[in-house]
Amino acid sequence: EVQLVESGGGLVKPGGSLRLSCAASGFTFDSYAMSWVRQAPGKGLEWVSGISGSGVSTDYADSVKGRFTISRDNSKNTLYLHMSSLRAEDMAVYFCAKWGDYYESYIGWGQGTLVTVSS
Amino acid sequence: DIQMTQSPSSVSASVGDRVTISCRASQDISSWLAWYQQKPGKAPSLLIYAASSLQTGVPSRFSGSGSGTDFTLTINSLQPEDFATYYCQQADSFPRTFGQGTMVEFK
Repeated sequence: EVQLVESGGGLVKPGGSLRLSCAASGFTFDSYAMSWVRQAPGKGLEWVSGISGSGVSTDYADSVKGRFTISRDNSKNTLYLHMSSLRAEDMAVYFCAKWGDYYESYIGWGQGTLVTVSS
Repeated sequence: DIQMTQSPSSVSASVGDRVTISCRASQDISSWLAWYQQKPGKAPSLLIYAASSLQTGVPSRFSGSGSGTDFTLTINSLQPEDFATYYCQQADSFPRTFGQGTMVEFK
């Protein structure tokens, strides 16, 4: 069974940093591209960042480019999102999601971790 | 970036109704479109991929159609468990943008 478990969310001050983790199990982690998708309170889904299975290729939404870094440790089956220079508008539930190449869509999701940005 | 526009933003319906949700892409995305369902406090779940293919385990009352820039999600005979928010997402290019969502509410 595919499991994605996010952690690392919490309260951070504007301008601060935080690292999110997503522990994966139940599938061959390094065979799948992964992404982070966020959802601000009461708002819709926003794609944040994606990374290839090997970790070589990465992409970012313009809203986070230069502030967020996605990475993965395939030996630990873990996806990361390092967030810096956090702003109030970054406050959201952050989901990690597994990309299915055949499906060209996200076929697995974690339960999400809440990031609160407030002084 | 490709913009995805859903309509309506919300729809009120009753059990047994047929509901149609539209999604328009700002440029041609062929059939690179997915639909997701999200219930309050939960992660999204995949309903439809490649515009019209039903994900395993999803009831057949859900269907998707369209190609190019215009797409439709149809729910036939709405069931109580279908009251949720639905999102389209393009898979043509990065960033993988979502529509703003359509909430299906109980009339």
